[in-house]
Amino acid sequence: GAVVSQHPSRVICKSGTSVKIECRSLDFQATTMFWYRQFPKQSLMLMATSNEGSKATYEQGVEKDKFLINHASLTLSTLTVTSAHPEDSSFYICSASPSNSPLHFGNGTRLTVT
Amino acid sequence: QQQVKQSPQSLIVQKGGISIINCAYENTAFDYFPWYQQFPGKGPALLIAIRPDVSEKKEGRFTISFNKSAKQFSLHIMDSQPGDSATYFCAASKEGASGSRLTFGEGTQLTVNP
Repeated sequence: GAVVSQHPSRVICKSGTSVKIECRSLDFQATTMFWYRQFPKQSLMLMATSNEGSKATYEQGVEKDKFLINHASLTLSTLTVTSAHPEDSSFYICSASPSNSPLHFGNGTRLTVT
Repeated sequence: QQQVKQSPQSLIVQKGGISIINCAYENTAFDYFPWYQQFPGKGPALLIAIRPDVSEKKEGRFTISFNKSAKQFSLHIMDSQPGDSATYFCAASKEGASGSRLTFGEGTQLTVNP
C-alpha cells in the first residue's frame, strides 16, 4: 500500500527558532500533499495544500509567512515553522495519495516549542 | 463553519458489543465519505469509505451506513474488541478520493472494555 513518511517524529525547539518537517511519499509520486495540524483531543484541521512546482494554497487564517511550504519534487514536501512560539506546539500531519486512491497519512510530527 | 458534525464525542462499550458513531454533513457536493482510525501519537489510518451511490458498505467487522436524503452516515463496529480502542474520525470530500481536501468531523474517543 501507499506509504507516507514524516520526519522527524518529535522535535523540541526554542521560541524564535525555525523548524523544518519533511513529508515523503515512499512508493508513489504525489503532485499534491496536504498539511494538517491537530491539537490534543481535537480534530485535524487542514492548514494548506502543497502543490509540486507551484505555490501552496493556504486555508483561511493560516499565516503563509509563518508556515512555509515547499514541494520541490514529486515525493517530498516540507513545512517550515518560522519563528516558532509556544502556541505553535502541536501535532503536524501530512497526507498524500497515488492517483485514484484514498488519502494516506504520515505518522505525524509532535512539535514542542519551549 | 463545521461542515461535518460527529457524535458522540466519547463512547464506551463492552467487548463483543456494537459501537456506533454518527456523522452528518451539510455540503451536498461531498461525494466521498471515509472513516479514519487514529491511535495516540500516530497519524490517521483509513478504515473504510463509501460513495453516495450505495447505502451500505461492509468490510469485516466495520460497516458504513449512508443516508443521502438525510445527509448522514454512520460507522458500525461489530464484535468490538479492546484493540479497537482509538479515536475515530469521519470525513468528507468533493470530487472523489484522490488528491482531495478532506473535511473531518470532531472525532469520537472509543473505549472497549475487556
